[in-house]
Amino acid sequence: KNQVEQSPQSLIILEGKNCTLQCNYTVSPFSNLRWYKQDTGRGPVSLTIMTFSENTKSNGRYTATLDADTKQSSLHITASQLSDSASYICVVIRTSGNTGKLIFGQGTTLQVKP
Amino acid sequence: KAGVTQTPRYLIKTRGQQVTLSCSPISGHRSVSWYQQTPGQGLQFLFEYFSETQRNKGNFPGRFSGRQFSNSRSEMNVSTLELGDSALYLCASSYDPGTRSYEQYFGPGTRLTVT
Repeated sequence: KNQVEQSPQSLIILEGKNCTLQCNYTVSPFSNLRWYKQDTGRGPVSLTIMTFSENTKSNGRYTATLDADTKQSSLHITASQLSDSASYICVVIRTSGNTGKLIFGQGTTLQVKP
Repeated sequence: KAGVTQTPRYLIKTRGQQVTLSCSPISGHRSVSWYQQTPGQGLQFLFEYFSETQRNKGNFPGRFSGRQFSNSRSEMNVSTLELGDSALYLCASSYDPGTRSYEQYFGPGTRLTVT
């Protein structure tokens, strides 16, 4: 079954601290994996996109890693800010013919406190 | 370049009514996908349109329907509304779903409340 599981479900950290969010998937065939940030009441915004051949990709204070062998990905946030408070969604694209089907994780809700 | 726009942003309807939501994709994008997001279920795929044709469909009842116009703008319709239809409805546009990167850009969503 094609699934994407994220952990933890929610997380509270203090401003300035680092944190790591996890994503495990059982999607096949795999095309690429992306992390989205979604602020409350807004649409998701793409943070990173990685194909199976990429191990790491950074976007400012956000660094995503991918291990295609173990089918695991992580999103590391460095020096957190209050504006990082949001839901982070892991999405795996499953190849389907000449298109892709998006499989969404349930998301991790991050709260950064001052 | 303007992003994906959705109208209306907020909507309150009563059970049994029907509703139409609108989505304007990024200029040049030909694919529009619709998603329903609820706290309990997360993001769930409704359907995708490309060049006025429905290409993919999720597991939603026939009360949920959509269409795409020649200018790529899309509408989603929900008939006979139920309380469980209360959700954030998101639209996402993509230039070419045939590319493996399949980058999608989401709109701000329409918050539908059914009472």
